[in-house]
Amino acid sequence: GAGVSQSPSNKVTEKGKDVELRCDPISGHTALYWYRQSLGQGLEFLIYFQGNSAPDKSGLPSDRFSAERTGGSVSTLTIQRTQQEDSAVYLCASSLVRNPFYGYTFGSGTRLTVV
Amino acid sequence: AQTVTQSQPEMSVQEAETVTLSCTYDTSENNYYLFWYKQPPSRQMILVIRQEAYKQQNATENRFSVNFQKAAKSFSLKISDSQLGDTAMYFCASASGAGSYQLTFGKGTKLSVIP
Repeated sequence: GAGVSQSPSNKVTEKGKDVELRCDPISGHTALYWYRQSLGQGLEFLIYFQGNSAPDKSGLPSDRFSAERTGGSVSTLTIQRTQQEDSAVYLCASSLVRNPFYGYTFGSGTRLTVV
Repeated sequence: AQTVTQSQPEMSVQEAETVTLSCTYDTSENNYYLFWYKQPPSRQMILVIRQEAYKQQNATENRFSVNFQKAAKSFSLKISDSQLGDTAMYFCASASGAGSYQLTFGKGTKLSVIP
């Protein structure tokens, strides 16, 4: 596609429920990143996928968070047993090469609200 | 680890005037990159300008320029001839040059351009 597409745009869920957030990167971009933006905070790195290599999960805040990337394209971020502190905007980005100097393209994010 | 600090949570500027957004950072790296991203209400992060630390010349992109003071670890953004479309959150970010793909963000500055 022309840009990075994320769905849903907004999601309201009850505490304790599981949610799935989807990211469809730019076609041909082998690198994919998830970031979390909590209210009043900058972006926080969550996870990085590069081609078929093992992902860098070092930024995931707890074992309730997981992510996968199927076929080197679409990625899904799953949050199990959601908590109120999970409320945030979840942003996905993709790039042709992994060096940020050469440009990451971000999606418009999913705003998750846990009530 | 890198840290990025933006000390101005909110700023405003009259249309057509010039405004400077401040950013300081801390890193132990000799080679690194610095960025300013814009986040309008659409939530998509848009790269405004970037700087390689080993280049002393300040980067410029049309109305946007930076004042990079390496010794002081300061990286301010100057917006000239401010336009209503410049109203957005602005984030300063850094990345290690040593093959890193993670961006470290500040907490952002909310800029309002007043007609």
